[in-house]
Amino acid sequence: AQSVTQLGSHVSVSEGALVLLRCNYSSSVPPYLFWYVQYPNQGLQLLLKYTSAATLVKGINGFEAEFKKSETSFHLTKPSAHMSDAAEYFCAVSAVSGGYNKLIFGAGTRLAVHP
Amino acid sequence: GAVVSQHPSWVICKSGTSVKIECRSLDFQATTMFWYRQFPKQSLMLMATSNEGSKATYEQGVEKDKFLINHASLTLSTLTVTSAHPEDSSFYICSAVPGYITYEQYFGPGTRLTVT
Repeated sequence: AQSVTQLGSHVSVSEGALVLLRCNYSSSVPPYLFWYVQYPNQGLQLLLKYTSAATLVKGINGFEAEFKKSETSFHLTKPSAHMSDAAEYFCAVSAVSGGYNKLIFGAGTRLAVHP
Repeated sequence: GAVVSQHPSWVICKSGTSVKIECRSLDFQATTMFWYRQFPKQSLMLMATSNEGSKATYEQGVEKDKFLINHASLTLSTLTVTSAHPEDSSFYICSAVPGYITYEQYFGPGTRLTVT
């Protein structure tokens, strides 16, 4: 069965510093992987997705993620954090269940950005 | 493109009453919609999968008689919380799947339900 583990429930960085949010997955089939961002009291916004094409995926707002099959990882990075990046980030893997492509979410990582 | 709306964005109701939450895909047709529940500072928990014109499929542990789901059209799914209790207070989020990209879900902005 597919699953997702996000290491670090809270990450704090300085403005301008590198952002690294970790995600490891478990999947018995080639996975589709996603990163979503959630601002307070809002829904989820797709940052980027991996669908078996290029292993380095570029998303919105300067984020990117690299799919590493050997490490079963899909870590999210951004070279320079901005105050507006403070939010909750969720990694997810697509899993076929009951004939539907469902999303299995990680527990989430709260990113804080301080001046 | 691929915009999903929810209405209302927040609702307060009294214990014992029912409340309906709408989820609409505004610029695409969605044969499948999902309903999630999110507790404070937690991840999303899938409640049910709804398909246009058929009965919803509920995840294990979700009471289908309490959380009624109706996928009335290709652009509208509703979640009705019946006989609400304070423990039903939560953030409810829907997502919709365009028929042409079955692995991708587009999320609504969520509905904050508070039961007093």
